[in-house]
Amino acid sequence: GESVGLHLPTLSVQEGDNSIINCAYSNSASDYFIWYKQESGKGPQFIIDIRSNMDKRQGQRVTVLLNKTVKHLSLQIAATQPGDSAVYFCAESQNFVFGPGTRLSVLP
Amino acid sequence: DSGVTQTPKHLITATGQRVTLRCSPRSGDLSVYWYQQSLDQGLQFLIQYYNGEERAKGNILERFSAQQFPDLHSELNLSSLELGDSALYFCASSVGAPETQYFGPGTRLLVL
Repeated sequence: GESVGLHLPTLSVQEGDNSIINCAYSNSASDYFIWYKQESGKGPQFIIDIRSNMDKRQGQRVTVLLNKTVKHLSLQIAATQPGDSAVYFCAESQNFVFGPGTRLSVLP
Repeated sequence: DSGVTQTPKHLITATGQRVTLRCSPRSGDLSVYWYQQSLDQGLQFLIQYYNGEERAKGNILERFSAQQFPDLHSELNLSSLELGDSALYFCASSVGAPETQYFGPGTRLLVL
């Protein structure tokens, strides 16, 4: 069946460093992907999205890269801050499939 | 604040009971989605409604049902509750589908 998965369940980074969170998907027909951030006790919050006709999209301090050849996408967070600590989900929107999430911990 | 509201925030009930969770989508959004998130689990899609009609179904149990009303708010009904139904239930809305979904704060259900 379809799946969207993450390579690492947890990631710890030093404040100020860049973070990279990876995600693999299995449905080659997927054409729209979204990254969400979920802080403790809150609902997921939209960060950035990308359509399959793009390889890269940049937002404020965040960049999403999409590699359709290997069905992989990544979320890069520049200059990681304590407020970035959360669980990050990638989602394949076409079929409402979410990855299990990666917990990002920012160390002082 | 995503603009999606959910009530109640917390719900404690007993096995075998029935509960109703309510969701109001963002203004202008026609699609409503329901998700279940168990402890340390990812989001599991349950069901989607678009402008009052069921659009897609995920891993929704037969004991669960949902509907979207003419004013576009939605309700998720959970019956014959079991301990394993304890989870966070999120509602999300979007203009259409597939589109970015905006999530509500969730309802935390505890079945004792």
